[in-house]
Amino acid sequence: GAVVSQHPSWVICKSGTSVKIECRSLDFQATTMFWYRQFPKQSLMLMATSNEGSKATYEQGVEKDKFLINHASLTLSTLTVTSAHPEDSSFYICSARGQLAGELNEQFFGPGTRLTVL
Amino acid sequence: GNSVTQMEGPVTLSEEAFLTINCTYTATGYPSLFWYVQYPGEGLQLLLKATKADDKGSNKGFEATYRKETTSFHLEKGSVQVSDSAVYFCALAQPETSGSRLTFGEGTQLTVNP
Repeated sequence: GAVVSQHPSWVICKSGTSVKIECRSLDFQATTMFWYRQFPKQSLMLMATSNEGSKATYEQGVEKDKFLINHASLTLSTLTVTSAHPEDSSFYICSARGQLAGELNEQFFGPGTRLTVL
Repeated sequence: GNSVTQMEGPVTLSEEAFLTINCTYTATGYPSLFWYVQYPGEGLQLLLKATKADDKGSNKGFEATYRKETTSFHLEKGSVQVSDSAVYFCALAQPETSGSRLTFGEGTQLTVNP
């Protein structure tokens, strides 16, 4: 099946620094990638949708200048949390979707990145 | 807008017990419905899906039937195992209106004791 990886799997940083999280589709071309945020014991909240080669579409209430998303190739999207603060601590999950003919094509999820901001 | 409501957890069962996790949805048109499972510290894995009314999705002993008349997609398993302990998410996608974006329920924590 399709595999999506994330790197790093966890990161601890100081308040005010920036952190980059990578999401890669390993065995398929991902025309669309999604970034989610998950708080403890809560559901996934969609942050943004990115299509390869174009600007990401952010959900209402998500600061685009704080959460920079780049989808420069069909196998890689990055999320950069700029000037991170403790309230940005969360579990960040990406998913990727390829371009398939026919019915709804599935999103494949990465394993997630645990961000802790001190 | 679209929404998904799951039964509140946590759910604790003994091994070999019967499992039901309720899921109802609100959407216009004909969404596709999904169940995802998340094991501790991991991302989500697709468990099963159904794309039209009366379809039954099944996988690993789990099954769910797309009921349009009751707007439900309840997850069932006849005999749970300790290894089924995880968080289960019901979700929907509506390709024609939202570009296949997923809308998730709140998640239900399942713990199976030996």
